[in-house]
Amino acid sequence: QVTLKESGPVLVKPTETLTLTCTVSGFSLTTGVMGVSWIRQPPGKALDWLAHIFSNDDKSYSTSLKSRLTISKDTSKSQVVLIMTNMDPVDTATYYCARIVGGERPLFDYWGQGTLVAVSS
Amino acid sequence: DIQMTQSPSSLSASVGDRVTFTCRASQSISNYLNWYQQKPGKAPKLLIYAASSLQSGVPSRFSGSGSGTDFTLTIGSLQPEDFATYYCQQCYSAPWTFGQGTKVEI
Repeated sequence: QVTLKESGPVLVKPTETLTLTCTVSGFSLTTGVMGVSWIRQPPGKALDWLAHIFSNDDKSYSTSLKSRLTISKDTSKSQVVLIMTNMDPVDTATYYCARIVGGERPLFDYWGQGTLVAVSS
Repeated sequence: DIQMTQSPSSLSASVGDRVTFTCRASQSISNYLNWYQQKPGKAPKLLIYAASSLQSGVPSRFSGSGSGTDFTLTIGSLQPEDFATYYCQQCYSAPWTFGQGTKVEI
């Protein structure tokens, strides 16, 4: 059974650094063409793709946020970590992680429940 | 970056209606196009991948078509549980991008 679960702070202050963890089960972060993406959704707004990391450690980032994001994985813990620096109130959103099935036509087939992060002083 | 534009942004429909909405890419993406359904307070759910392939477990009233820059998602006969927001997403080249969504309302 594939599951993903996001964890992290519910509230951060402006200029602080956000660290989110996605703990996965039911699949491996080391084999095949699997990966994990982070996607966020501000309240009442659309989905916004942030970053991904594949089993071969291939990474990619949102163009507009690239300077603020770092994605990594700890295969021993089955975790993918997203770090976002210099948080701003506009970064208030629900943050999701999702499994990527890569290969010829990548897709997100399993999602976590999401974690709401508010940015406020 | 490839921009994805969905239309309309919202539509009103009734149970039993056939509904179609569109997604347009700012450049050709072949059939590297996925569709997701999202209900309020829930994570998105994959409906269609590779533009026209139905994800396992998704009802056959959902269908997708298109290639290149223009894509459509059709719900053959709208059911009460289909009232939701639908997003397209391109996976042709990173950064992968989503459309702004189409909300299907009663």
